Amino acid sequence: RKEVEQDPGPFNVPEGATVAFNCTYSNSASQSFFWYRQDCRKEPKLLMSVYSSGNEDGRFTAQLNRASQYISLLIRDSKLSDSATYLCVPGNTPLVFGKGTRLSVIA
Amino acid sequence: EPEVTQTPSHQVTQMGQEVILRCVPISNHLYFYWYRQILGQKVEFLVSFYNNEISEKSEIFDDQFSVERPDGSNFTLKIRSTKLEDSAMYFCASSVGTQNSPLHFGNGTRLTVT
Repeated sequence: RKEVEQDPGPFNVPEGATVAFNCTYSNSASQSFFWYRQDCRKEPKLLMSVYSSGNEDGRFTAQLNRASQYISLLIRDSKLSDSATYLCVPGNTPLVFGKGTRLSVIA
Repeated sequence: EPEVTQTPSHQVTQMGQEVILRCVPISNHLYFYWYRQILGQKVEFLVSFYNNEISEKSEIFDDQFSVERPDGSNFTLKIRSTKLEDSAMYFCASSVGTQNSPLHFGNGTRLTVT
């Protein structure tokens, strides 16, 4: 069974839109989660760490629902530069990456 | 902001040759990792390293692979006899702690085996 399940997308949204990605995880013992973004042929970059029920950083909000074992990422006021693949990663060592969700923000 | 650095950015080698990929982790980090990503596929864990020894490795990390921390700053990945299927992006990463600590990745080395 996969550690996480994410809709692969692509999500195609216009600039300024709000978009949300969901991620379900299988290991109920996972204590923390990370959202990474990865641009094509680049390294994964840490976007946000989630240790409790959620986290907010500017236009980005992550929410964790432990009872339902899912974590979401909300991006408000999408920018063209937000176009990337978004990866939900449980904090169990070693970090295991899935294929993520592709986002394309269109002008 | 401190970062993980990797060299070279691109390495082309012939099948059967040995390659060494180099990484300088963030200076106060204690845990080091190598991951790889074949084009179009997900990022895959290879090996983790702590206190001068391998702490965990995946089934990809077979006898062809080895890691070393030859001095206080470098962390290397050696592939002894490269195969065509070793062509991939290789990412080094480091973290302060282990469980529940995010990894910080370097820019990667693109390895092309011909």
